Amino acid sequence: DAGVTQSPTHLIKTRGQQVTLRCSPISGHKSVSWYQQVLGQGPQFIFQYYEKEERGRGNFPDRFSARQFPNYSSELNVNALLLGDSALYLCASSFTDGNQPQHFGDGTRLSIL
Amino acid sequence: DAKTTQPPSMDCAEGRAANLPCNHSTISGNEYVYWYRQIHSQGPQYIIHGLKNNETNEMASLIITEDRKSSTLILPHATLRDTAVYYCIVSRGATNKLIFGTGTLLAVQP
Repeated sequence: DAGVTQSPTHLIKTRGQQVTLRCSPISGHKSVSWYQQVLGQGPQFIFQYYEKEERGRGNFPDRFSARQFPNYSSELNVNALLLGDSALYLCASSFTDGNQPQHFGDGTRLSIL
Repeated sequence: DAKTTQPPSMDCAEGRAANLPCNHSTISGNEYVYWYRQIHSQGPQYIIHGLKNNETNEMASLIITEDRKSSTLILPHATLRDTAVYYCIVSRGATNKLIFGTGTLLAVQP
């Protein structure tokens, strides 16, 4: 079975641009979460969506937004990119929004020049 | 959410058991203990989780103390491919948010 898939795998942008990252969850999973991992640190929670509704938001500015589609795939959008947004962006999916384990994709490496 | 404390690094000889400790003294009754690991340049990989009973799966065993204030992840026969950063995370339901610390870098030596 396919795991969590993310696209693109790598992306280079310049300051001020906008970016959209995509995530396809494991088949049957209805919950998707997004995390940001800066080099040398653990992943940091950005958003969680369940059944197309936002269920949680981390401490990130309004430049970060996300949505979940009827097929449970998800997009993360970041506007007005800053150098500090350079990071690995991880998507994770799980069956429900309860205590089911989350399963992660290998992320999108975003570099801001 | 409860905070966890892990040693920054540990070494283990190949073929021996690796025992990774974690302290979570402020854990509440409805919070689970999760373990993930991250190999360089990959996403975190789920290993195991538990509430209060010891758990075992094909990858590892999880031992949780009776007071639930600490736990130990056991990799019974470590291989070089087990070299990774191991994260111990305490999480409750609802948002299912995972709060990662800095983890333990386990280096398996040949």
